[in-house]
Amino acid sequence: SQKIEQNSEALNIQEGKTATLTCNYTNYSPAYLQWYRQDPGRGPVFLLLIRENEKEKRKERLKVTFDTTLKQSLFHITASQPADSATYLCALEGGGSQGNLIFGKGTKLSVKP
Amino acid sequence: DSGVTQTPKHLITATGQRVTLRCSPRSGDLSVYWYQQSLDQGLQFLIQYYNGEERAKGNILERFSAQQFPDLHSELNLSSLELGDSALYFCASSVGVGPSGNTIYFGEGSWLTVV
Repeated sequence: SQKIEQNSEALNIQEGKTATLTCNYTNYSPAYLQWYRQDPGRGPVFLLLIRENEKEKRKERLKVTFDTTLKQSLFHITASQPADSATYLCALEGGGSQGNLIFGKGTKLSVKP
Repeated sequence: DSGVTQTPKHLITATGQRVTLRCSPRSGDLSVYWYQQSLDQGLQFLIQYYNGEERAKGNILERFSAQQFPDLHSELNLSSLELGDSALYFCASSVGVGPSGNTIYFGEGSWLTVV
């Protein structure tokens, strides 16, 4: 079955810098990959979806890349702000049955002023 | 506000008991998903319903069951509760039959503490 690994449990960066989070998956390449933001005690909030035929997707200060050869997605936040501090989750279809969206354990990003 | 409503927000109950968590999806969404989140396991997919029918099943224990009603709201029933069932339970919804290409919207979760 599909597995997702988000390499860092925690990432600390300085305000204004670019944060780069990594998501690796095993087995087959999914048709799409999603990124979510989760604040403590809150539900995950959808940020971006990238499809297998898209190399890169942007939304404001966010950028996602998808490399099916490396089986990896990178999530970038440019000009990071303390308000970007949260846990970021990578998600993709688990395979086997529709609806099974599986999540990585997340990377907790802390942006220091 | 995602538009997905979950009740109750917090629940404390004893081992061996049974609880029901309720979810109202966003208006117009036909799919409902249930996830469990604990500190060590992350977000675990439990089950999905689409327009009243079970669509996909994940790591849902036999002690747990769910259903989706004609008005599209869903309930997750947890019985013979154990300490390890303490977690945050999320409901999510999407327009289509699965998350493939569809954004799924999460509720704020129901905190379950089993003592």
